Amino acid sequence: KQEVTQIPAALSVPEGENLVLNCSFTDSAIYNLQWFRQDPGKGLTSLLLIQSSQREQTSGRLNASLDKSSGRSTLYIAASQPGDSATYLCAVKQSNFGNEKLTFGTGTRLTIIP
Amino acid sequence: GAGVSQSPRYKVAKRGQDVALRCDPISGHVSLFWYQQALGQGPEFLTYFQNEAQLDKSGLPSDRFFAERPEGSVSTLKIQRTQQEDSAVYLCASSLALEKLFFGSGTQLSVL
Repeated sequence: KQEVTQIPAALSVPEGENLVLNCSFTDSAIYNLQWFRQDPGKGLTSLLLIQSSQREQTSGRLNASLDKSSGRSTLYIAASQPGDSATYLCAVKQSNFGNEKLTFGTGTRLTIIP
Repeated sequence: GAGVSQSPRYKVAKRGQDVALRCDPISGHVSLFWYQQALGQGPEFLTYFQNEAQLDKSGLPSDRFFAERPEGSVSTLKIQRTQQEDSAVYLCASSLALEKLFFGSGTQLSVL
């Protein structure tokens, strides 16, 4: 059974700093990995999706990397801003045909200190 | 509407009551998912529809949980004889291409 872990559970950094969030998964037979953002009382917003054949994806100040063989992904946020404060979740989709569900980690709650 | 809409936003139920949670996906989205998110946890998969067909219900925790999407658009998640452990946020997501999911804001269910 796939298990997804995110460490740390919470992180506080001063505004302007660069930071890295970590995600690890136990079963490397994944189809893709996604990073989501969740604001309090809101649903999830997809930030980046990395296919299993890719090493990284970039969108603005965000960069996500994937090392499938070691079961790790990182989300790099450059020049952090107070608006980046949220919970960040990673989720994996397995590669077996017909299995469309995502397995989520428990998230990292990020606070950017102005 | 522009996004996935869920109603009600909040639901308080007495233990043993039946509840029905509604999801309006983005127009034209073929795939629809239900997830359950307990406090401080990541979402857990419940069930998945492609059009009106329920292709995967492996995540439904018991036979008290039932989901339907009869016309391939709006979906309802029904929980019978609610228990305290059913308290959670229920999230609905829809997708056109099965990769990028669009989530609603969820229904927060509290069972007293």
